[in-house]
Amino acid sequence: GESVGLHLPTLSVQEGDNSIINCAYSNSASDYFIWYKQESGKGPQFIIDIRSNMDKRQGQRVTVLLNKTVKHLSLQIAATQPGDSAVYFCAEDGNTGFQKLVFGTGTRLLVSP
Amino acid sequence: DADVTQTPRNRITKTGKRIMLECSQTKGHDRMYWYRQDPGLGLRLIYYSFDVKDINKGEISDGYSVSRQAQAKFSLSLESAIPNQTALYFCATSDLGDGYTFGSGTRLTVV
Repeated sequence: GESVGLHLPTLSVQEGDNSIINCAYSNSASDYFIWYKQESGKGPQFIIDIRSNMDKRQGQRVTVLLNKTVKHLSLQIAATQPGDSAVYFCAEDGNTGFQKLVFGTGTRLLVSP
Repeated sequence: DADVTQTPRNRITKTGKRIMLECSQTKGHDRMYWYRQDPGLGLRLIYYSFDVKDINKGEISDGYSVSRQAQAKFSLSLESAIPNQTALYFCATSDLGDGYTFGSGTRLTVV
């Protein structure tokens, strides 16, 4: 079946560095992609989203890049802070019109001071 | 108050027992979801509902049932709990213009 996956299960960075978290998706018909952050003991929180008609979208300290040719999604976090330490998930809507999301397995980001 | 509230936050139950997890929301969203999270497997969809009269199975619905009592309430039941249903369970709501909002989760342990 269709799936969304991540290349790296754990990413360790120093405070102040830029972080890049990657995600490969397999459903080329997906129209909508989202990045979530999950801190310990909490539910996933929305970070940023992007539609398939875009290749880049920027938020506050975060940028999402979409490469539809190779079905790849990435989340860039600028000037990473200890508070960014969490598990990050990508998700796609599988062309369901945002009715259902398929989640990746997650990448743990560890930020050391 | 949280937009999506799940109860209980933690529960330990015995094999064979029936258990209900409850979810309520103040977002006013029509769409509600139950997901299960296991280490290394991400979030998997159990059931979803697009309105009070609409219930749909997700990818792992076996062993679970749901009830949409009102627009704001969506409960998940395990009719006869088994140990491999030990997991973290999340309720979520969504709306096209407002994205997905998740509850804080229910940690269920079946012994």
